[in-house]
Amino acid sequence: ELKVEQNPLFLSMQEGKNYTIYCNYSTTSDRLYWYRQDPGKSLESLFVLLSNGAVKQEGRLMASLDTKARLSTLHITAAVHDLSATYFCAVEWGSGTYKYIFGTGTRLKVLA
Amino acid sequence: GAVVSQHPSWVICKSGTSVKIECRSLDFQATTMFWYRQFPKQSLMLMATSNEGSKATYEQGVEKDKFLINHASLTLSTLTVTSAHPEDSSFYICSARDRRGISGNTIYFGEGSWLTVV
Repeated sequence: ELKVEQNPLFLSMQEGKNYTIYCNYSTTSDRLYWYRQDPGKSLESLFVLLSNGAVKQEGRLMASLDTKARLSTLHITAAVHDLSATYFCAVEWGSGTYKYIFGTGTRLKVLA
Repeated sequence: GAVVSQHPSWVICKSGTSVKIECRSLDFQATTMFWYRQFPKQSLMLMATSNEGSKATYEQGVEKDKFLINHASLTLSTLTVTSAHPEDSSFYICSARDRRGISGNTIYFGEGSWLTVV
């Protein structure tokens, strides 16, 4: 069974600093997704990574995928308060009907 | 982009009653929909996968007689929590696969439904 783990689980950082969130998964998959969730809300899609070596950037966030290492990273550059949220990675997995398995989540708090 | 709508957004019901949550794909046909449950400060746990016109596939540990899922059309799936109890209180999120997306695997999430059982 697929397991998806994120590290760290909770992150408090100062504005302007950089940090990386890691997403490890236990079985083969070529598709990985990153989402943002604000308190009490549903998910906002951030990135779709569809192949080994994929790198995508949007504003202060950059995501990458290494399918051989079964690792994805979400890098935060010069954090701002508005980035405070919970971030989830999700791995697409299965045969026939593909489903998303979510990581444990990383709660990010950016201090002004 | 594609829109998935859930209804209701919030529901409070008495213990022992049943409550239905609807998930609709508004501008695309979804052959597959997924139901997730999320407890506070936890991740999303996949409950079941529903395919249009067939029985839902439940994840291990999810009671299929308690969480009834019906996917009667290509745009609608419903989750009915039967004989709800306070421990069923949670945030329920559906998602739907857009067959037109990248390789037919683009998934869109609904806004979620908060269930409180008192």
